[in-house]
Amino acid sequence: AQSVTQLGSHVSVSEGALVLLRCNYSSSVPPYLFWYVQYPNQGLQLLLKYTSAATLVKGINGFEAEFKKSETSFHLTKPSAHMSDAAEYFCAVAIYNFNKFYFGSGTKLNVKP
Amino acid sequence: DTGVSQNPRHKITKRGQNVTFRCDPISEHNRLYWYRQTLGQGPEFLTYFQNEAQLEKSRLLSDRFSAERPKGSFSTLEIQRTEQGDSAMYLCASSLTRGGTEAFFGQGTRLTVV
Repeated sequence: AQSVTQLGSHVSVSEGALVLLRCNYSSSVPPYLFWYVQYPNQGLQLLLKYTSAATLVKGINGFEAEFKKSETSFHLTKPSAHMSDAAEYFCAVAIYNFNKFYFGSGTKLNVKP
Repeated sequence: DTGVSQNPRHKITKRGQNVTFRCDPISEHNRLYWYRQTLGQGPEFLTYFQNEAQLEKSRLLSDRFSAERPKGSFSTLEIQRTEQGDSAMYLCASSLTRGGTEAFFGQGTRLTVV
């Protein structure tokens, strides 16, 4: 079975500081991994995805994530937070036949001026 | 390509009433998913279609819920005899079939049952 755990339901950083959002997954087969961002009352927008190519994945808005199989992790980082990054972030896992995506419970990122 | 479109964006209904939501996927996408999201939670899988065939339904989807995708195009999600516990954001997503492809989400329909 597949599952995703996001550590920290709320993360607060200062503008310009490093953003680190944690995601650990469980999958019995090699997974595909995703990070999505959600702004209030909006749908989910893809930030980046890991599909078994490079383990370091770069996404939109300066975000990147590294797939670490040994740690079953796919943490999301951004070197310097902007106020516009304040949103909720979801990590998701899917397997090869893509019949469903399993989402974590989300991490709300607050960016302080 | 205008993305995944969901209507209505908001729905307020009285308990016991029936509601229907519509999702128009990206035109070339043959997979369509429905998810439910409650406050403070990630999206939970409800069901998915491959073209017009409904291939899987979550145990979360009670008999009061039904989804259709006639002709493999748009989809509808109907909730009969709504309950307050049905209040949530209902998200639709679509994707291609090939591996490694992401799901594209609509903006959701927020249902409030009063």
